Amino acid sequence: SQQGEEDPQALSIQEGENATMNCSYKTSINNLQWYRQNSGRGLVHLILIRSNEREKHSGRLRVTLDTSKKSSSLLITASRAADTASYFCATDENRDDKIIFGKGTRLHILP
Amino acid sequence: SAVISQKPSRDICQRGTSLTIQCQVDSQVTMMFWYRQQPGQSLTLIATANQGSEATYESGFVIDKFPISRPNLTFSTLTVSNMSPEDSSIYLCSVTGGNDQPQHFGDGTRLSIL
Repeated sequence: SQQGEEDPQALSIQEGENATMNCSYKTSINNLQWYRQNSGRGLVHLILIRSNEREKHSGRLRVTLDTSKKSSSLLITASRAADTASYFCATDENRDDKIIFGKGTRLHILP
Repeated sequence: SAVISQKPSRDICQRGTSLTIQCQVDSQVTMMFWYRQQPGQSLTLIATANQGSEATYESGFVIDKFPISRPNLTFSTLTVSNMSPEDSSIYLCSVTGGNDQPQHFGDGTRLSIL
């Protein structure tokens, strides 16, 4: 089953601009995670935000979580060419140990 | 964080054959997870592999097609049986660091079926 739904599905922006990706989910969660995947390789964990947290930062990344709307956003500031990748949100559906991924956003940073 | 090694990293196989993918973790973990990522798609959970018990399969995946072994707390295998071109995907294993911890993924096995 696919829990998260990201939008947009694809995003192209100029280098230096900010990129915002959104994720919605359906069930109650303990946490929500964001991952990056470069060119079909393994996933790199970016940020985990717990259900009792509203915002979290890591370097140029900012994640928000609104449990009342069952949604999250990932903001990448001052984008770089190296940020070109697919970004996925994932949730522990029904507070289980397994995580379920959204469909992802393909981000392309233009030089 | 756990270091996960997957073998092979890629393979090209003939229709009707089977391939076993290995996943080795550098620490003992209770649960290991196997995912499939079809071309251009997101990750779909195939099953959860628990040591000492049968794997738990998600809807749409069956043991006959994707048998899983979990002989100890650091190792698991996934076999893709009787392969067809529709099985061409990246297969990834992952482990969880524990309650409210991120999952860590291997680099995946890119499988192409001719």
